[in-house]
Amino acid sequence: ELKVEQNPLFLSMQEGKNYTIYCNYSTTSDRLYWYRQDPGKSLESLFVLLSNGAVKQEGRLMASLDTKARLSTLHITAAVHDLSATYFCAVDGGETSGSRLTFGEGTQLTVNP
Amino acid sequence: ETGVTQSPTHLIKTRGQQVTLRCSSQSGHNTVSWYQQALGQGPQFIFQYYREEENGRGNFPPRFSGLQFPNYSSELNVNALELDDSALYLCASSLTVNTGELFFGEGSRLTVL
Repeated sequence: ELKVEQNPLFLSMQEGKNYTIYCNYSTTSDRLYWYRQDPGKSLESLFVLLSNGAVKQEGRLMASLDTKARLSTLHITAAVHDLSATYFCAVDGGETSGSRLTFGEGTQLTVNP
Repeated sequence: ETGVTQSPTHLIKTRGQQVTLRCSSQSGHNTVSWYQQALGQGPQFIFQYYREEENGRGNFPPRFSGLQFPNYSSELNVNALELDDSALYLCASSLTVNTGELFFGEGSRLTVL
């Protein structure tokens, strides 16, 4: 059974600081996704990482994937309050899984002024 | 381009009742997946439909059932509701069955009393 673990689960940081969220998963997969969820809202796709060594950046967020280590990171640079949300990583079990995603528990990020 | 739409957005039921949730997939997408997200948790895969047939199922009992229609819209039916069924139910569509990237609707929040 594919397991996905995120840490930390809760993160409180000051504006302007940098931090990294980690996502470990338990089986080989080349496809990993990061989503953002605001309270009471649905999931917004942030990044799609489809190969080992993939790195993608959008604004203050950068995601990377190391399939050999079964690890993805979401790095936050110079955090701002608008980044406050819950961030989920999700792993695709591969073509045989038919796009079935297994999600981590989520990291609840709070950025304080 | 029309995104994924779900209805109803909120509903309240009592134990033992039945509920039907509806989803219209994003234009051009032929695969629909349903996820259950309990409060404070990551989404859990319920099942996926492709070409009007179930194409993979998570660890949910048979009282969770679904349909996909020729226009790729979908329904999730839950019979004999239990208190633990209270959750946000998310529908997601993808371009086809193995593309991986999912686009989520706003969800249907079900409360079972």
